Amino acid sequence: NAGVMQNPRHLVRRRGQEARLRCSPMKGHSHVYWYRQLPEEGLKFMVYLQKENIIDESGMPKERFSAEFPKEGPSILRIQQVVRGDSAAYFCASSPGTASYEQYFGPGTRLTVT
Amino acid sequence: GENVEQHPSTLSVQEGDSAVIKCTYSDSASNYFPWYKQELGKRPQLIIDIRSNVGEKKDQRIAVTLNKTAKHFSLHITETQPEDSAVYFCAVHTGTASKLTFGTGTRLQVTL
Repeated sequence: NAGVMQNPRHLVRRRGQEARLRCSPMKGHSHVYWYRQLPEEGLKFMVYLQKENIIDESGMPKERFSAEFPKEGPSILRIQQVVRGDSAAYFCASSPGTASYEQYFGPGTRLTVT
Repeated sequence: GENVEQHPSTLSVQEGDSAVIKCTYSDSASNYFPWYKQELGKRPQLIIDIRSNVGEKKDQRIAVTLNKTAKHFSLHITETQPEDSAVYFCAVHTGTASKLTFGTGTRLQVTL
């Protein structure tokens, strides 16, 4: 039973470039969450998605960040025109549904902006 | 929004001793309280959780207690081993959107 998959595991971008982070939830899970972790800090909620729907994006920065979870394929977190402050580990988590609160995390994507 | 405080930020214990980490939360409607263990460079791993209708839950050397009236919950690790060394995060389930609000983490070091 494959766990939550994320790729790439490491991503280096220059300032101004775009970063695309992908997340495939566990089999049977239809809910996806994105969290950001700055060095030596806790995880901060960014966005919660179900297939083709954004349910809660209260943690997303207003500009440059967007997320989607299409009917087919992985969830994508997109960061446009990256800045040094975007350097962080981005974790995706999945859960089976609203009746189950457990969230299981992927290995994360470590984004470095140079 | 929900506010979660976690203490201590660092904890050093000798192998075999117990470790206790405490978290407080602000939203009385919170109903699910998981604990995650994160080793350096790895993913957060769910190790134990508790729901608001239960006061205590135990899984081998790990236990969690919840005091809803005081709005705090604690992680207890008994007979600590070097492989327990990691950063531990508490979290609180918030609202109908199911997002988790995390504490700031406790770095546990188990020394020989």
